[in-house]
Amino acid sequence: SQQGEEDPQALSIQEGENATMNCSYKTSINNLQWYRQNSGRGLVHLILIRSNEREKHSGRLRVTLDTSKKSSSLLITASRAADTASYFCATAPNGGANSKLTFGKGITLSVRP
Amino acid sequence: DGGITQSPKYLFRKEGQNVTLSCEQNLNHDAMYWYRQDPGQGLRLIYYSQIVNDFQKGDIAEGYSVSREKKESFPLTVTSAQKNPTAFYLCASSIDRNTGELFFGEGSRLTVL
Repeated sequence: SQQGEEDPQALSIQEGENATMNCSYKTSINNLQWYRQNSGRGLVHLILIRSNEREKHSGRLRVTLDTSKKSSSLLITASRAADTASYFCATAPNGGANSKLTFGKGITLSVRP
Repeated sequence: DGGITQSPKYLFRKEGQNVTLSCEQNLNHDAMYWYRQDPGQGLRLIYYSQIVNDFQKGDIAEGYSVSREKKESFPLTVTSAQKNPTAFYLCASSIDRNTGELFFGEGSRLTVL
């Protein structure tokens, strides 16, 4: 079964609003990563949060990790039309190499101008 | 600019033909990966290589083959044995087998006619 599952599957917001995307997983992890994919393009790494971290920031991105609930959230503040893309969470298991990285099915974010 | 280059961007194949997708990186990364992405799905690992002259099967290796003769290059051959080859193929690399953050190419879209 899928390790990382994102929620919601699709999200549509107005430019300037905040976008919150969630990811849940089942087994213990070493780290959790978020990636972005524009339509028809490759994935771009956004941020990595380790299991001993609770929150990380990068520009307009804020990621939280709650290992007790086995969940993470990605917040994009003051969204822009250019943020329109699919967002994937990926989990790396404890002791596992990158080859064990498991990707969710992704969240489609649409930001209306 | 450092990065990963995949070619061709689009490829059409007749049933029964083998095709090879190219992946080249100039990031001096040890590890390289091939993923398959189907609509609305997460990424699934086909093959990975942690070092030159070594590669391992991923979750869906049947019908695919790879080689890693040079550190910079990790070509993927989609053979006629792959029953459902139409998909978006993504090549990625990482500094080593354990370090998080994968760097992705722009992808190759294969369509079987």
